[in-house]
Amino acid sequence: DAMVIQNPRYQVTQFGKPVTLSCSQTLNHNVMYWYQQKSSQAPKLLFHYYDKDFNNEADTPDNFQSRRPNTSFCFLDIRSPGLGDAAMYLCATSRVRVTDTQYFGPGTRLTVL
Amino acid sequence: GQQVMQIPQYQHVQEGEDFTTYCNSSTTLSNIQWYKQRPGGHPVFLIQLVKSGEVKKQKRLTFQFGEAKKNSSLHITATQTTDVGTYFCAGAPGDYKLSFGAGTTVTVRA
Repeated sequence: DAMVIQNPRYQVTQFGKPVTLSCSQTLNHNVMYWYQQKSSQAPKLLFHYYDKDFNNEADTPDNFQSRRPNTSFCFLDIRSPGLGDAAMYLCATSRVRVTDTQYFGPGTRLTVL
Repeated sequence: GQQVMQIPQYQHVQEGEDFTTYCNSSTTLSNIQWYKQRPGGHPVFLIQLVKSGEVKKQKRLTFQFGEAKKNSSLHITATQTTDVGTYFCAGAPGDYKLSFGAGTTVTVRA
């Protein structure tokens, strides 16, 4: 059974056209993360939610925003996608603390035309 | 910036041979985790090490946490084609969030 679900799996958008990626979890985990992963690189943390508390990484561009309306759902909004934002976007969860094991979703592959 | 260094970046292995990938941190880690990402897939948790000097085995995979809790290794014996993928270590300095290493991408020659 899927535990961390990401929709869509593939997303194509145009340069500058806002896009929203979604993540849901059935694990009732406290922490949710958004990562950006480019080819042959490690996942790069964009931000995470510790319950309702939003934690932004210092080098995450303002172009990236996130919302967590409830425990189960988390959204990544890219306000004005550039060509450099084309990547795999991974959502992950951990049960209680940010040091706990992370469970990743299958990712959304974003293409920017 | 990245606090956890991982080497080598690439490992080309003959099927049946052994190899080791290493993870090093400049700070003491509360725990270290290992993940595997198959080509086209997402990272999947393999194991967590918490205690100084801890060694854990999963079939042909042996994971070790250093005595000073600043380094870790993953050793794979008798490599198989199913071992292909990228192996990431991720360390947590204290109660701070996990920092992922750059990963070791493993390819296997049959």
